[in-house]
Amino acid sequence: GAGVSQSPSNKVTEKGKDVELRCDPISGHTALYWYRQRLGQGLEFLIYFQGNSAPDKSGLPSDRFSAERTGESVSTLTIQRTQQEDSAVYLCASSLIRGFTDTQYFGPGTRLTVL
Amino acid sequence: AQRVTQPEKLLSVFKGAPVELKCNYSYSGSPELFWYVQYSRQRLQLLLRHISRESIKGFTADLNKGETSFHLKKPFAQEEDSAMYYCALRVYSGGGADGLTFGKGTHLIIQP
Repeated sequence: GAGVSQSPSNKVTEKGKDVELRCDPISGHTALYWYRQRLGQGLEFLIYFQGNSAPDKSGLPSDRFSAERTGESVSTLTIQRTQQEDSAVYLCASSLIRGFTDTQYFGPGTRLTVL
Repeated sequence: AQRVTQPEKLLSVFKGAPVELKCNYSYSGSPELFWYVQYSRQRLQLLLRHISRESIKGFTADLNKGETSFHLKKPFAQEEDSAMYYCALRVYSGGGADGLTFGKGTHLIIQP
């Protein structure tokens, strides 16, 4: 079946604008994760969903970041009033359950550039 | 908080030579350790995990709790092994597991 998909693949925006990034997990996967990768850095965990619930939002970098998930499907990561430091590749992953050893399957990422 | 360290940003070896990509972690409990790989123009994918104790594409990794290390090894490198390799750690919190903590990655280049 299809893997995790993300859209858009690339997004260029001006500082101060809002952006919305989308993630479609693998069908049937209940857990969904968002990560950020800045240039030359490792992946930084942002937030996870179990179903449509996000119990821990402490990984989000600031209150300009928010995320939602509809049921056990699509998730959107919204960044308001974008800043240049938000430029990064945003990766989404999903797993069957939120299990300790469960494999996370990654999407191709959205490359965000804030001018 | 947990941390993963990959000391080498770039590692270049010749085809047929042994490869070792280093990974050290800091966490007081018992984490789950993973190696992820990203080939050119492909998405990040799981290579192996310590709990499985398996060999994938000739790679192995042993968790050394005393040295808090999870180094990735392959006895004879192949050109197709050229990729970015990320070591990752996952901890268990009440109610389930949280997101992965990644190292910064090592770019492995296998020269012909």
